[in-house]
Amino acid sequence: KQEVTQIPAALSVPEGENLVLNCSFTDSAIYNLQWFRQDPGKGLTSLLLIQSSQREQTSGRLNASLDKSSGRSTLYIAASQPGDSATYLCAVSRNNAGNMLTFGGGTRLMVKP
Amino acid sequence: EPEVTQTPSHQVTQMGQEVILRCVPISNHLYFYWYRQILGQKVEFLVSFYNNEISEKSEIFDDQFSVERPDGSNFTLKIRSTKLEDSAMYFCASSEQGLNEQYFGPGTRLTVT
Repeated sequence: KQEVTQIPAALSVPEGENLVLNCSFTDSAIYNLQWFRQDPGKGLTSLLLIQSSQREQTSGRLNASLDKSSGRSTLYIAASQPGDSATYLCAVSRNNAGNMLTFGGGTRLMVKP
Repeated sequence: EPEVTQTPSHQVTQMGQEVILRCVPISNHLYFYWYRQILGQKVEFLVSFYNNEISEKSEIFDDQFSVERPDGSNFTLKIRSTKLEDSAMYFCASSEQGLNEQYFGPGTRLTVT
């Protein structure tokens, strides 16, 4: 059974810092990995999708990397801003018809002005 | 930008009552999903749906749950006889193809009393 873990569970940084969020998964037979942002009481906003054949994806100040063989992904946020404060979730999918996503517990990020 | 919508945003019901949660997926998407998030816990997969049938379901999705696409735009989740432990945020998601990026709605908060 796939297990997804995110470390750290919470992170507080001053504005302007570059930071790295970690995601690990136990079963490397994934099809893709998706990073989401969740604001309190709100839905999930997709940030980046990395296919299993890819090593990284970039969107603006965000860069996600994937090392499938070691079961790890990182989300790098450059020049953090207070508006980046949210919970960041990673989720992996298997290569099957259902496309079920298995989620990690998230990293709660606070960026202080 | 197209988005997934869900109604109602908050539903309060008594134990044993039936509830129907509604979702309008993104119009050209073919795959639909329901997930739930109990307060303080991980997002959990419930069911995926394609071509008017269930593609995959989790252990949570027992006989008390059902899904339906009653027309060309709506996708519903029915819980026949709600239990206290069904209290959670329920998220609908859709994707253009299987194994593609999933887009989530804002969620319906279900409170069972």
